[in-house]
Amino acid sequence: AQSVTQLGSHVSVSEGALVLLRCNYSSSVPPYLFWYVQYPNQGLQLLLKYTSAATLVKGINGFEAEFKKSETSFHLTKPSAHMSDAAEYFCAVGYSSASKIIFGSGTRLSIRP
Amino acid sequence: GAGVSQTPSNKVTEKGKYVELRCDPISGHTALYWYRQSLGQGPEFLIYFQGTGAADDSGLPNDRFFAVRPEGSVSTLKIQRTERGDSAVYLCASSPDREKGYTFGSGTRLTVV
Repeated sequence: AQSVTQLGSHVSVSEGALVLLRCNYSSSVPPYLFWYVQYPNQGLQLLLKYTSAATLVKGINGFEAEFKKSETSFHLTKPSAHMSDAAEYFCAVGYSSASKIIFGSGTRLSIRP
Repeated sequence: GAGVSQTPSNKVTEKGKYVELRCDPISGHTALYWYRQSLGQGPEFLIYFQGTGAADDSGLPNDRFFAVRPEGSVSTLKIQRTERGDSAVYLCASSPDREKGYTFGSGTRLTVV
């Protein structure tokens, strides 16, 4: 079955520190992978996507993610956190054989001044 | 339109009543998805339309839920005999191609009292 696991429901980092949000997926076929961000009281916004091109994907707001097939991972990183990065982040996986994208349970990112 | 539009933004209804939630996708997007997001959780897939037809309705929780897209653009999610457990944010998304990811609307917050 298709699934995605986000490790850590809540991550807190200091402003200026590295952000690392973890995502692992289950797959027997090449996946499409996505990260979405949801700011308080707003809809989901696409941060970045992996679709079998370059394994290091750059997204908006300075975020990037690396697809590692051997680890079935697609972790999200940002070198230096800003207060405005505080939000809920969702990893999602899709497959060419399936009609839908499956979302993880989300990681809430808090930024300490 | 420029984005995915969902109406109403908020809906409060009494238990047992019937509700309709509307989604107006991005013009030209043939794929349309409905998800449900409960508090503190990731979006949960409900149904997917390709054009006018429901290509995958495996996520609909029971026969009280039904969705239509008669002309291949606007979609309506219909819930009969609402229950308190139906309270959630109902999200609509559209896409030109699954690999490209979805564009989400802001959602309809349904509260059943």
